[in-house]
Amino acid sequence: NAGVMQNPRHLVRRRGQEARLRCSPMKGHSHVYWYRQLPEEGLKFMVYLQKENIIDESGMPKERFSAEFPKEGPSILRIQQVVRGDSAAYFCASSPGTDKRTDTQYFGPGTRLTVL
Amino acid sequence: AQSVTQLGSHVSVSEGALVLLRCNYSSSVPPYLFWYVQYPNQGLQLLLKYTSAATLVKGINGFEAEFKKSETSFHLTKPSAHMSDAAEYFCAVTAEYGNKLVFGAGTILRVKS
Repeated sequence: NAGVMQNPRHLVRRRGQEARLRCSPMKGHSHVYWYRQLPEEGLKFMVYLQKENIIDESGMPKERFSAEFPKEGPSILRIQQVVRGDSAAYFCASSPGTDKRTDTQYFGPGTRLTVL
Repeated sequence: AQSVTQLGSHVSVSEGALVLLRCNYSSSVPPYLFWYVQYPNQGLQLLLKYTSAATLVKGINGFEAEFKKSETSFHLTKPSAHMSDAAEYFCAVTAEYGNKLVFGAGTILRVKS
């Protein structure tokens, strides 16, 4: 059973460009979460999605960031007009959705975004 | 709101010595608690989780943690450290209204030979 897949693993962008990060959840999982890890910090929640629905985006910056989880295909985290402060590791996690509070979230290897 | 405090951003132990990584939480509802481990340039791997079934939780790689409500703690221990345990460890609590995890800042464990 393949784990959570993320690509690319490393992404370099210049200021002002767009970054697209992809996440394929584990087979059978319909819930996806995105977290950001800034240097020397823990992970911070960004957004929680189910297929075709954003359930909780309370951790998403109000501007430039968006996320989707279409009916078919991976979840996408999109960052428009990137700035140096967006440089971080972005982790995706998935869960089966059996029990919201006790489900284990399984993490992907992350995408490390560097903004020049 | 839920929060997690991990005391000690860096912990160093000798190989074979006891590992103790501290985690204190704050929660307005009965908490569900997790410990994850992160090896360099990798994602997070679940070590163990507390979901109210038993206060002493055993996880992978010989780790265990004890939930103490009176102390609002969920410390991670391992009787004998191995070189392969060197990594960063994160304690997390499920947010009040489910789903998202609230993480501590992490503790980097160094194991000396």
